[in-house]
Amino acid sequence: DTEVTQTPKHLVMGMTNKKSLKCEQHMGHRAMYWYKQKAKKPPELMFVYSYEKLSINESVPSRFSPECPNSSLLNLHLHALQPEDSALYLCASSQDGQRGGSSIQYFGAGTRLSVL
Amino acid sequence: GDSVTQMEGPVTLSEEAFLTINCTYTATGYPSLFWYVQYPGEGLQLLLKATKADDKGSNKGFEATYRKETTSFHLEKGSVQVSDSAVYFCALSRFYGNNRLAFGKGNQVVVIP
Repeated sequence: DTEVTQTPKHLVMGMTNKKSLKCEQHMGHRAMYWYKQKAKKPPELMFVYSYEKLSINESVPSRFSPECPNSSLLNLHLHALQPEDSALYLCASSQDGQRGGSSIQYFGAGTRLSVL
Repeated sequence: GDSVTQMEGPVTLSEEAFLTINCTYTATGYPSLFWYVQYPGEGLQLLLKATKADDKGSNKGFEATYRKETTSFHLEKGSVQVSDSAVYFCALSRFYGNNRLAFGKGNQVVVIP
């Protein structure tokens, strides 16, 4: 089983709302990732958690706040977003976030976010 | 730094035609190479991978060979179906250090019946 589950599938929020995206995997992976994908573009890395510690933050604005409560769960808390933050948000996981090579990243189906 | 270059523009072809999508890379050392596919409205799915020179990855009739001498990982399929219509991304990750993926820009493939 190589499933990464993301909820919700779709989210519409106003600029003053607070919402959260959720990602879950049960493959025993120790690295989890958040990506942002705009239409017709490749995914852009936002955050990486390795062994439940934040290891990479790609200078993402503080209105995006990641959280890794345990090795199976990854959340992305959203607050005071802008319309330009509308995008597909993808979660991924891999066996090991500290070695590259054959550590394949498995992606979820994404949350399509619209900010009004 | 690491980078991946895919051929420009969408690819439109008829059912049962031969598909080639070019991918070249720039990286030091021996990266792992991947092709991901994204069907409309979905996330990315790993299509195939290769971890060392001359490896051939294959899946669902798609193939790609890791060519270190030409730093390429071209994707091919002998006979495409309408269901192969999707966006295809070539990507690499380094062997050492963090598991950061470098993606190409992606190619939209449209297969016409």
